[in-house]
Amino acid sequence: QQQVKQSPQSLIVQKGGISIINCAYENTAFDYFPWYQQFPGKGPALLIAIRPDVSEKKEGRFTISFNKSAKQFSLHIMDSQPGDSATYFCAARADFRGSARQLTFGSGTQLTVLP
Amino acid sequence: DADVTQTPRNRITKTGKRIMLECSQTKGHDRMYWYRQDPGLGLRLIYYSFDVKDINKGEISDGYSVSRQAQAKFSLSLESAIPNQTALYFCATSARTGSNQPQHFGDGTRLSIL
Repeated sequence: QQQVKQSPQSLIVQKGGISIINCAYENTAFDYFPWYQQFPGKGPALLIAIRPDVSEKKEGRFTISFNKSAKQFSLHIMDSQPGDSATYFCAARADFRGSARQLTFGSGTQLTVLP
Repeated sequence: DADVTQTPRNRITKTGKRIMLECSQTKGHDRMYWYRQDPGLGLRLIYYSFDVKDINKGEISDGYSVSRQAQAKFSLSLESAIPNQTALYFCATSARTGSNQPQHFGDGTRLSIL
């Protein structure tokens, strides 16, 4: 079974700090790694995504770091704000015959940014 | 109006009852998905459909069935609900074209089975 392991389960950060969420995977066929953000009472929404041909992607305060050899990727939120408080899911998708390119999600991280 | 609409938003029912969760979308996407979310388990795929005539089982399809009534409508049924199907259910859509189209989620249905 394809798996994506996410940590930590919960994270509390002070306003202005850096939030870091980590994910690890086993399937080397994964070729697309998105992060989704979910606010209470809402569905997840795509935040940022990366392909394994680059080691880092930055969009505003959000950065994905990708380590292909270690099969790990992480989300960094710089200058964390109370409005960033949400649940974050990493995910991965494989590109091989029969995979139907479905997303496999991590277990989620509940981030709380204290004012 | 929301692009992906799920009804009902909340449902409480009893063991053994038949339940249908409905999803409609105005995004014009071909692909639709049903997920369930449980604390500590993330999102798990139940069924997905790439067009009206194409329906596929996901990771956890046992105990569930689906119907793709039209391009814009995809419903999930629990034929005989059991308590461990208590969860938050999400419908999602994505476009067919392009290699990494994002999935767009509805706001979920919270289902409690007593």
